[in-house]
Amino acid sequence: KNEVEQSPQNLTAQEGEFITINCSYSVGISALHWLQQHPGGGIVSLFMLSSGKKKHGRLIATINIQEKHSSLHITASHPRDSAVYICAPPGNEKLTFGTGTRLTIIP
Amino acid sequence: AAGVIQSPRHLIKEKRETATLKCYPIPRHDTVYWYQQGPGQDPQFLISFYEKMQSDKGSIPDRFSAQQFSDYHSELNMSSLELGDSALYFCASSPPGTRWGEQFFGPGTRLTVL
Repeated sequence: KNEVEQSPQNLTAQEGEFITINCSYSVGISALHWLQQHPGGGIVSLFMLSSGKKKHGRLIATINIQEKHSSLHITASHPRDSAVYICAPPGNEKLTFGTGTRLTIIP
Repeated sequence: AAGVIQSPRHLIKEKRETATLKCYPIPRHDTVYWYQQGPGQDPQFLISFYEKMQSDKGSIPDRFSAQQFSDYHSELNMSSLELGDSALYFCASSPPGTRWGEQFFGPGTRLTVL
């Protein structure tokens, strides 16, 4: 069983829609990364959070450490948000990547 | 702001050749991580270094070795290259005091083995 599960695996939405990507993990962690990988391959760290909620522009991430669940929300989605979004718990200094959620925003 | 620098960005090698990938972390970051991402696959952790010492090891083949130098840059050496080594290799760095804190990724080196 994967330690990290994301849902949905693929998501296509219209520009402007509110997007939610969920991440559940089976290992005990103290923090979680949300990363974004664009089609060109580059990986960008969006958030690292250990409790509550963080907001950066149109992106909001929430986490419940006890329930081992995190969500990434995108408000007013835009085609440039199209990417793979990955949640990754750090453990013993390495990130364990899940399969990610492939998001496509249609103009 | 300075970011993680990787060189070269693209590399083409033949089977059984060797390759060296370089990573320059963000200034004052003391931890470096290497990841390998095969086509259509998730990134896989290879190895990490903290303060110039190997700190964790993942699925790194014996044909690969890496080190971190006194200026904190790191090199991943790959020998006897195989077709399956074709992948995107990412380096990431973390600031001091957060050995498994937020990781900042470089743009990656795309290695193609022919």
